Amino acid sequence: EAQVTQNPRYLITVTGKKLTVTCSQNMNHEYMSWYRQDPGLGLRQIYYSMNVEVTDKGDVPEGYKVSRKEKRNFPLILESPSPNQTSLYFCASSSPSGSGEQYFGPGTRLTVT
Amino acid sequence: GIQVEQSPPDLILQEGANSTLRCNFSDSVNNLQWFHQNPWGQLINLFYIPSGTKQNGRLSATTVATERYSLLYISSSQTTDSGVYFCAVERPRGGATNKLIFGTGTLLAVQP
Repeated sequence: EAQVTQNPRYLITVTGKKLTVTCSQNMNHEYMSWYRQDPGLGLRQIYYSMNVEVTDKGDVPEGYKVSRKEKRNFPLILESPSPNQTSLYFCASSSPSGSGEQYFGPGTRLTVT
Repeated sequence: GIQVEQSPPDLILQEGANSTLRCNFSDSVNNLQWFHQNPWGQLINLFYIPSGTKQNGRLSATTVATERYSLLYISSSQTTDSGVYFCAVERPRGGATNKLIFGTGTLLAVQP
C-alpha cells in the first residue's frame, strides 16, 4: 500500500531533550516536506527536500533540522525542543514527474513541557 | 503571496443533508487538493483537482481554474463526514518549494 509513515504518533517530552520524528514513504517520491499545524495559524511548511541531499527552509524553520540521506526517509530533528514547538506535525511527499499530488502522513502530536 | 479563502467557516448539517463547500484562490495554481481532517487529526486526501470535475462516492469536486475557485460537494452526509475540510493550492513551479498553501478550513458537524 502506498503510504507515508511517521513515528512516533504521539510524544510528550521536556524542554531541551533532543528528539527525532521519522518520516518514510514507499512511493519513490523525490519531493518531501514537513509541516506544522497550530490553532489559528493553519498548516505551515517547516522544511522541504527536492531530492537526496537537497533540502531547504520553508516558512518556519527556526529550531528544526532535517536530513535526506535516502530517498525514502526525511527525519525532522529538534535539537533543543521548546514549549513553542508543541504542535501537530505532518510529513508529506510528492513526485514532480507524476501528478504533483501530495500525500500526507498520519501526523505526530508533540507536546514539549 | 497567494491567498486561499474557504467558506463557510462552520457548517452544521442533519444526517442525510447535502452541502457545498467553496474555495477561492487569488492567483494561478499548479495543484489544488481537498483534504478532510478527521477528529483524530489525520489529513485524508479527498481530491487532487487542479481543474475539471471528479467524483468519489458521495463526494465530488469541481475546479474552475480560470475563475479561481473550487467547490466540494457532499451528498447524503453522514456523521463520519464530520471534521475540518481544507482546500490547499500550490503555485506553479517556477521557484519550486513543494509548498501547499492551505485555506483556513470549513468545520463541518453532521448531527444524527
